[in-house]
Amino acid sequence: EPEVTQTPSHQVTQMGQEVILRCVPISNHLYFYWYRQILGQKVEFLVSFYNNEISEKSEIFDDQFSVERPDGSNFTLKIRSTKLEDSAMYFCASIRRAGEKLFFGSGTQLSVL
Amino acid sequence: QKEVEQNSGPLSVPEGAIASLNCTYSDRGSQSFFWYRQYSGKSPELIMSIYSNGDKEDGRFTAQLNKASQYVSLLIRDSQPSDSATYLCAVNPSGTYKYIFGTGTRLKVLA
Repeated sequence: EPEVTQTPSHQVTQMGQEVILRCVPISNHLYFYWYRQILGQKVEFLVSFYNNEISEKSEIFDDQFSVERPDGSNFTLKIRSTKLEDSAMYFCASIRRAGEKLFFGSGTQLSVL
Repeated sequence: QKEVEQNSGPLSVPEGAIASLNCTYSDRGSQSFFWYRQYSGKSPELIMSIYSNGDKEDGRFTAQLNKASQYVSLLIRDSQPSDSATYLCAVNPSGTYKYIFGTGTRLKVLA
């Protein structure tokens, strides 16, 4: 079965550093997402991306965050200057059509020290 | 603010019993509803999707949707210890691309 792949599985960084989280969505999917989950809390929407642009973003997704689809397969989340409170599991997800089930990657655990 | 509400639990049921998980949502125009299972430290995995009022069965799982009451539920029959996990309700509100998740209900199936 096709799957969403994320790298790295774990990322440790110092506060103030830039990080890039990488994702390869399922190949025929058209809508791409980033979610995050702080330990013990709910899965929170960050951003959706369709047709090479952001279609929707949450209040969490401020100027420190950006997304990019640099080629036909990768989808990245960049955090420009990490804060302690950015420590969380970050999930990439994709769907083929609007309203269909989300397919999640296995996540990147980001630890900001 | 569009919300999805779940009782956080834990919900404890004996092995072989029926587990009943509930979820309410605030956006009346929502059309797509999902139940995900999440084991600790893992990503959510889809159990059921439901789009129409009524029941939808898949093996030991039954999803129930009542749009008038803005309520969706998941029944797990013949619960097994391996069903012990957090169950997340997710809704795709009308006019948005995002999927909103509830806080999840932690289910414990006791052997």
